[in-house]
Amino acid sequence: KAGVTQTPRYLIKTRGQQVTLSCSPISGHRSVSWYQQTPGQGLQFLFEYFSETQRNKGNFPGRFSGRQFSNSRSEMNVSTLELGDSALYLCASSNLAGAPNEQFFGPGTRLTVL
Amino acid sequence: EDQVTQSPEALRLQEGESSSLNCSYTVSGLRGLFWYRQDPGKGPEFLFTLYSAGEEKEKERLKATLTKKESFLHITAPKPEDSATYLCAVQESGGSYIPTFGRGTSLIVHP
Repeated sequence: KAGVTQTPRYLIKTRGQQVTLSCSPISGHRSVSWYQQTPGQGLQFLFEYFSETQRNKGNFPGRFSGRQFSNSRSEMNVSTLELGDSALYLCASSNLAGAPNEQFFGPGTRLTVL
Repeated sequence: EDQVTQSPEALRLQEGESSSLNCSYTVSGLRGLFWYRQDPGKGPEFLFTLYSAGEEKEKERLKATLTKKESFLHITAPKPEDSATYLCAVQESGGSYIPTFGRGTSLIVHP
């Protein structure tokens, strides 16, 4: 069974640009959650989608947005990038919504903002 | 104030030297506490869920325990392959299902 895949794995952008990250969940999983991981703040929840609907949203500015498609694939968009957005962005998929113990994480996308 | 605090931040052990990692939390009601292992360059991998004080879970050399305000991850006779960052997260009862993570403990086990 293929795991969670994230593309691209590495990305370098400059301040003010926007970026779109992609996540393909494990086949059959309907929930996709996104997290930001930085050395200073650790792992922080961004949002969760289940069956194309945003179920939960973390405490991040509106520049961070996401969506989920009918095949459960998800994208995350960050507009007007800031230096502080440099981080590892992880997505996790599961069968159930709101179930951290059921989540399988992808390898992440490393975003560097210059 | 952080809701979830992990200590120590880093831990170096010799192979076979048992120790414990701590995760303390300040949520008013606990829906669940979760432990993960994260290897460099990879996403976290789920280890355990604990729901109520007194509960214990074991997997190979790892045992997780839970009290009303903290959880311990005991590592018995660790091996170099146990080297990783260990994360804990809590989910508060009665609210959203958003998990709050600690900053992790980086464990290195020397052969």
